Amino acid sequence: EAGVAQSPRYKIIEKRQSVAFWCNPISGHATLYWYQQILGQGPKLLIQFQNNGVVDDSQLPKDRFSAERLKGVDSTLKIQPAKLEDSAVYLCASSLGDRQGASPLHFGNGTRLTVT
Amino acid sequence: AQKVTQAQTEISVVEKEDVTLDCVYETRDTTYYLFWYKQPPSGELVFLIRRNSFDEQNEISGRYSWNFQKSTSSFNFTITASQVVDSAVYFCALRSYNTDKLIFGTGTRLQVFP
Repeated sequence: EAGVAQSPRYKIIEKRQSVAFWCNPISGHATLYWYQQILGQGPKLLIQFQNNGVVDDSQLPKDRFSAERLKGVDSTLKIQPAKLEDSAVYLCASSLGDRQGASPLHFGNGTRLTVT
Repeated sequence: AQKVTQAQTEISVVEKEDVTLDCVYETRDTTYYLFWYKQPPSGELVFLIRRNSFDEQNEISGRYSWNFQKSTSSFNFTITASQVVDSAVYFCALRSYNTDKLIFGTGTRLQVFP
């Protein structure tokens, strides 16, 4: 079974520039998550999709971050404009999406973003 | 509010030592799930185990074992006879049946020296 695919692996941009990350979840997984992991901290949920609908985006800085999951499969996370504090690893994860919450999340390798 | 606390920031052991990673959680939900993930230097989070709130039976998988105690809201992880390949950051996480949100602790960095 192929895992969660993310690209790019690394990205360096200057502040105020824009950047986009792409994620392809495990086939058949209805739920897709984007997490932000700042160095030395645990992952923090940014947004959660169930198929192509948003379930939770309460911690997404909506003035600069946006995400979409067209057709309920691939997803894109965008930052525009980037700030220095956005430097982090952005992790995409997927799960079967059962409402009981028992299914584990499977994570991709992440995209390491450095904002200079 | 839900919260996961991993008080140990970093642990260093010598190979073949046993090591226990602590995890304490807070939740008002009666139904919830607890997870452990391993994050090696490559960065990917690897799922290790899931326990639900109704099952306090301890679990052993090879050199790994988990001790779940609802009375103390703890879900500790023990590695027996540690190996260098166990070096990683380990995260404990909590997921509520109601919110479906997975909340992580701050992680414990384990270094196993040969």
